[in-house]
Formats: sequence, C-alpha cells, structure tokens
Amino acid sequence: QVQLVESGGGLVKPGGSLSLSCAGSGFIFSDYYMIWIRQAPGKGLEWVSSITSSGWTKFYKESVKGRFTISRDNAKQSLYLQMNSLRAEDTAVYYCARLNMAYYYGMDVWGQGTTVTVS
Amino acid sequence: QSALTQPRSVSGSPGQSVTISCTETSSDVGGYNYVSWYQQHPGKAPKLMIYDVSKWPSGVPDRFSGSKFGNTASLTISGLQAEDEADYYCCSYSDSHVVFGGGTKLTVL
Repeated sequence: QVQLVESGGGLVKPGGSLSLSCAGSGFIFSDYYMIWIRQAPGKGLEWVSSITSSGWTKFYKESVKGRFTISRDNAKQSLYLQMNSLRAEDTAVYYCARLNMAYYYGMDVWGQGTTVTVS
Repeated sequence: QSALTQPRSVSGSPGQSVTISCTETSSDVGGYNYVSWYQQHPGKAPKLMIYDVSKWPSGVPDRFSGSKFGNTASLTISGLQAEDEADYYCCSYSDSHVVFGGGTKLTVL
C-alpha cells in the first residue's frame, strides 16, 4: 500500500546534527513534491521544508535556512532532512508527507513521524 | 508572510453541526489559495480531510465540508460523531510555501 516511513530521530545536544530519512513505497516517488512538517510537543503543525519532484528546487522555513538541507533520491524512493546546528526549539515530531497536485497541493500521505529531541 | 487564525476550541453534541473558521491575516491579499484541512487524533499523523477549499479526498465522508468567503475559510462537520473529536488544522499553499493555522480542538460533548 501507499506509505511513508520516517527514521533517524533521536536525542542530540544543542549544536549537534541529525539526519532524517523518509522511505516511500506503493507509489511513483518521483512524481511528487515532498515536504517535511514538524510538531513541537503540545503545539501545532509547522512547515519546515519542501522539495520539487526532480529535487532541483527546495524551499525552507526562514528559521531553518542555512541549518537544514532537504534532499531526495528518487531511485531509492527516499526523502532526507539533514539538520545541523540544532537548537532546543527544533525539538519536535518530524513528519514527511506527499504533496499531491491532483489534490491541489494537499498532503494526502503522511509518515508516522520521528521524534527529535534537542537537549 | 501570511498567518492563519483559528479558534482554539469548539464543541458540539453528537448529531449537531460545528464550524471551524480559518482567517488569513496578511497584507498580501489574494495569496490565500489552495486551502486544505487536516484532522489529527492524539499521537497520530494528520489526515487530509478537505483540499482546494471544498473538495473531498477519497474515503472522507461528506459530513465534512469546506467553504471560503473572502479571507476566511471554514470547515463544517455535520452529524457529529464521537470519533470526530480531534484537532483540526487549516493550511494554505502559496508560492511554494506552506502555512498552517494554529489548530482547533474539537470536543464532542
């Protein structure tokens, strides 16, 4: 079935780095824009970064520019988020999701989330 | 950069209807397009409920409906059921950036 599975979360000290992965299956990964969204404990959803289907164009939330890098490997059906210079405020559950043009950029498939704790 | 404002909480009894509003506050009028709504149960990933203001993805019951007038989008849930109790987020996609509302907690009394 269509699914996304994140991995790579964990506990890291402020200033440290972490790399998240998101593996897609059951669909043609290269057909879709992909997105990272996070949710701090007890807070709402927050867009972090998105990437076009080819991987050529990337977009970032202002507060993570220069620290986070989104990338993808369509041959491996995988999305990545390299997070450097981590701060306490980056602590959150990180979700990857598929942006579906047929749904006018609605995010119709989500992973289960991976928890990042910066402390 | 736009911001989307939602009420923090709404409530209703089983069988009733509730409406959750989502108002764009920005000087960039006209960029409030591609509105979608997400339902999130505690500890779960969000689920797409409405896209393009008022359309349903497959599998979403038509008890959920969306609309938009001016800078305010709304999600209406008719015939409330216990399983509708969740957090609901509006979302706007514009110029390759995504903005979420702060979320509304729906309580089914």
